[in-house]
Amino acid sequence: DAKTTQPPSMDCAEGRAANLPCNHSTISGNEYVYWYRQIHSQGPQYIIHGLKNNETNEMASLIITEDRKSSTLILPHATLRDTAVYYCIVISQGGKLIFGQGTELSVKP
Amino acid sequence: DVKVTQSSRYLVKRTGEKVFLECVQDMDHENMFWYRQDPGLGLRLIYFSYDVKMKEKGDIPEGYSVSREKKERFSLILESASTNQTSMYLCASRAGGHHDTQYFGPGTRLTVL
Repeated sequence: DAKTTQPPSMDCAEGRAANLPCNHSTISGNEYVYWYRQIHSQGPQYIIHGLKNNETNEMASLIITEDRKSSTLILPHATLRDTAVYYCIVISQGGKLIFGQGTELSVKP
Repeated sequence: DVKVTQSSRYLVKRTGEKVFLECVQDMDHENMFWYRQDPGLGLRLIYFSYDVKMKEKGDIPEGYSVSREKKERFSLILESASTNQTSMYLCASRAGGHHDTQYFGPGTRLTVL
């Protein structure tokens, strides 16, 4: 299973875009990139996923590089409620989710 | 919206008690999962089920069993709770494909005294 690397923590000002990077240099052609977030003491919340193309939904945008070795999750207008741990996960053919340590995003007023 | 519910948010039990954690999903998903989450260890898969009455061991099944009598319900059973089973327990469900999204419940924080 491909591993992912994320910075342990990031700060973002309220109302600004939060750009969360993820490296997945060993990703293979049929593996998807998923993003979840977890607010303290709650279950992980699905955000977005992609394979090759950039994706956007009501929560966020996902930018995947052409070589697929890294991706960036963009929260366009961060709010205080977006403070959470964000996990970047690569899902293999077996469908197993492996959560790493994630990035702790702090949105500050 | 997919909804996964768990029977309790917080639970306190004594060593040796039998503990039932219930999970219900309302999206007719084939696959259901039980994880535990501990600081520094991330999420670890305990058991999963890909159909009614079917179950598969995950990475850490010891000390746990599961039951799936109906498609929407997946139960995790601690036959004799021990203090090292104090943890956050998370249930998830997924439609049929491996690349389909897993949706999580709110979690049950279990404390075994």
